[in-house]
Amino acid sequence: DAKTTQPPSMDCAEGRAANLPCNHSTISGNEYVYWYRQIHSQGPQYIIHGLKNNETNEMASLIITEDRKSSTLILPHATLRDTAVYYCIVRVADSGYALNFGKGTSLLVTP
Amino acid sequence: SQTIHQWPATLVQPVGSPLSLECTVEGTSNPNLYWYRQAAGRGLQLLFYSVGIGQISSEVPQNLSASRPQDRQFILSSKKLLLSDSGFYLCAWSPGQGAQPQHFGDGTRLSIL
Repeated sequence: DAKTTQPPSMDCAEGRAANLPCNHSTISGNEYVYWYRQIHSQGPQYIIHGLKNNETNEMASLIITEDRKSSTLILPHATLRDTAVYYCIVRVADSGYALNFGKGTSLLVTP
Repeated sequence: SQTIHQWPATLVQPVGSPLSLECTVEGTSNPNLYWYRQAAGRGLQLLFYSVGIGQISSEVPQNLSASRPQDRQFILSSKKLLLSDSGFYLCAWSPGQGAQPQHFGDGTRLSIL
């Protein structure tokens, strides 16, 4: 699985968009980008995933650059409940079964 | 919709005692099932995964074992707990094939005294 790089921490004002970057410059053509988050003392929560195209669901949007070497998770209107550690994971579908969560980005949403 | 249940939420056990953590999934059939452990301040480590009843693969040698007696039931066990078994244990499921994500339960926080 390709290695990912995320900033260790970010702040965002409540109600504003939170844009969380992820660098995956060694990604290969059959690797997907997954985003999860973990709120303190809870299990990781799946947010969104994509291969090439931008994706949107009820939680967030995923923007993948044309060369696929980086992506951005967008929370359009951050709330205090979005404070969590966000993980960007790159892996091949059916490549084995472990998710490598890395260190992620600790997002703090402030009032 | 699919749901995953783990229990208990917290557990305090003495060293040398046995362990049994249970995980069940509803709303799907023949899922892949996983047990992860998260030590304090560290990332998730995959312990076991299962692609079907009675089929268990272990990722790391350890004091723990797993069983899948039914399609949607996954059990994590130990005969004698060690202090190093403390941690946050998470069960997850995913559809059998493809790029679909894993979905996690709420976890069990295990403290060994």
